[in-house]
Amino acid sequence: NAGVTQTPKFRVLKTGQSMTLLCAQDMNHEYMYWYRQDPGMGLRLIHYSVGEGTTAKGEVPDGYNVSRLKKQNFLLGLESAAPSQTSVYFCATAWGANEQYFGPGTRLTVT
Amino acid sequence: GENVEQHPSTLSVQEGDSAVIKCTYSDSASNYFPWYKQELGKRPQLIIDIRSNVGEKKDQRIAVTLNKTAKHFSLHITETQPEDSAVYFCAASWDTGKLIFGQGTTLQVKP
Repeated sequence: NAGVTQTPKFRVLKTGQSMTLLCAQDMNHEYMYWYRQDPGMGLRLIHYSVGEGTTAKGEVPDGYNVSRLKKQNFLLGLESAAPSQTSVYFCATAWGANEQYFGPGTRLTVT
Repeated sequence: GENVEQHPSTLSVQEGDSAVIKCTYSDSASNYFPWYKQELGKRPQLIIDIRSNVGEKKDQRIAVTLNKTAKHFSLHITETQPEDSAVYFCAASWDTGKLIFGQGTTLQVKP
């Protein structure tokens, strides 16, 4: 029972490159979320999904896209990375509007 | 827009003393208020939460109080221990479980 996992753990990108972060869960949760965490800023919601095939924008969605083709996976895409997207990215899952369980995080650096 | 303010940003206490962290929220429709603890390099983990139909909740040395009229809620940690040292985040949920986080409080418990 892995819980919530994130791939990759670390990544360095050059400005303009693209990448996809994968969040996978085996908890059968309907709701999934992507956050970014920057020093002194707390966690900010990027996008979220309340079920397979659905996605919605959070507080800071610009520059990111998401997809939820399978219930257990939530993908976060950066089409053209910018230095401002250097951050730690956390995925979280929940059964409805309740406690959210966080993944271990992905540390992304854009040079 | 939706906003959560958290104070103080840093808090230093002696072991055995109490610590209090306060948060205010902007939207009176919010109905779920979790508190997360994050140790250095780790994922956030829920330590306690409260819903809008409850004024206070306790779990051993940790308690949360909610004042809906004033739109603020607080975390109380009694008999602090060095292992309580971490960053604490409050959050408020509006709909679909979207969490808006406060900026975080770094708690240092000195032995």
